[in-house]
Parts: sequence; C-alpha cells; structure tokens
Amino acid sequence: SQKIEQNSEALNIQEGKTATLTCNYTNYSPAYLQWYRQDPGRGPVFLLLIRENEKEKRKERLKVTFDTTLKQSLFHITASQPADSATYLCALGTNAGKSTFGDGTTLTVKP
Amino acid sequence: NAGVTQTPKFQVLKTGQSMTLQCAQDMNHNSMYWYRQDPGMGLRLIYYSASEGTTDKGEVPNGYNVSRLNKREFSLRLESAAPSQTSVYFCASRRERDQYGYTFGSGTRLTVV
Repeated sequence: SQKIEQNSEALNIQEGKTATLTCNYTNYSPAYLQWYRQDPGRGPVFLLLIRENEKEKRKERLKVTFDTTLKQSLFHITASQPADSATYLCALGTNAGKSTFGDGTTLTVKP
Repeated sequence: NAGVTQTPKFQVLKTGQSMTLQCAQDMNHNSMYWYRQDPGMGLRLIYYSASEGTTDKGEVPNGYNVSRLNKREFSLRLESAAPSQTSVYFCASRRERDQYGYTFGSGTRLTVV
C-alpha cells in the first residue's frame, strides 16, 4: 500500500541553524510533491510545489529537493527563526488530481 | 479577503444527528476538496470535486455525502453522525486539477458525543 513517512514527529533546533525535514514514500509514483505549513488551530498553508522532473526549488529561505530514485524529498529552512516553529506537511500528488498527505513534522526553533 | 470560507467553526452533535458543513471559495478555482484531520495525523481525503457538476470519493468517504452546488460552493453532509467522525474538517480548493497547491479554509472542529 502507499505510504508517506515524514522523518520524525518533532524536530528541535537552535535559531540561526538550518532545519532539514524529510519526506519518504513507497509504492507511489507522484507527479509532484508539495510542502505546507500548519499552525495550531489553523488550516495548512501552501509553501512550495516541485514536479517530478525538477531536482530543486527555492523560495526565499526555503529549499526543496526531490529525488524520485530515492523516493525522497528534503525540505530545508535556512537561518531558522522562532517564527518558523510550526508543523510541516508534505503531500504527494498524481495527475489524477488528488494528493496524499504525510502526518507532518513539528518543528520548534529555540531562541 | 479572498480565500476559502468554512462554516461553522465549531459544532457538537449527538450520535445520530445530521448536519451540513458549508464551504465557499471566491478564487474561481475549479477543484474543491474535503479533508479530515485527526490528532497527530495527516489529512485524509473524504470527497473531491474536480469541476462543477462532478464529485468523486476519496480515501475515507463512508458516512459522508457531498454536493457541488455551483463553482463556488462545496458542502459536506453527515447523515447520521457517529463518534468516529469527531475530527477537524478542512475544505480546500485549487485552480486546476494538478500542479498547483491547495488553498485551505480555517477548518470546522466537530465533536460527536
């Protein structure tokens, strides 16, 4: 069956460091992969989308890589700030128009 | 502000009661979705509508029905609520079927007692 694993439930890092979150998948051939941020009590907010034929995408302090051979995406936040503390969700999408979400990783950035 | 609006924000139901969750978007998006999120878990797709007039089942459709009333509105109905349907429900929309991120509403927190 299809499975999406996000590296760990919680990640704690020091302010200024780079946070790296992992999204691994099995039994899936996604056309694209998305990353979202979710704050407590709020809906997810779309951050980045990377397509299967793209290796890397950047947006300000965010960088996403996508390795379809390893079946893995890495999500990096450079120069992290306490305001980056949130839960981050990865989602895999197919050309059928649906996306499947991982359980999320909660990031805490300590001052 | 443009976006996805969900009502109500909170609801408590007794087992066996029915209710409809409302969702509207003003971004002229074609696709709309209903997800549920349980504590510590990711979002699971209940139903989706790729375009006005079409609806399809997602991963967990049992116990739910949907209506795509027009391009803007997509409602989710619980005919006979069960405690297992206690969850946070999110509506989302997307401009095209593929290749774009979702815009989510703020959610409806539903408790079935």
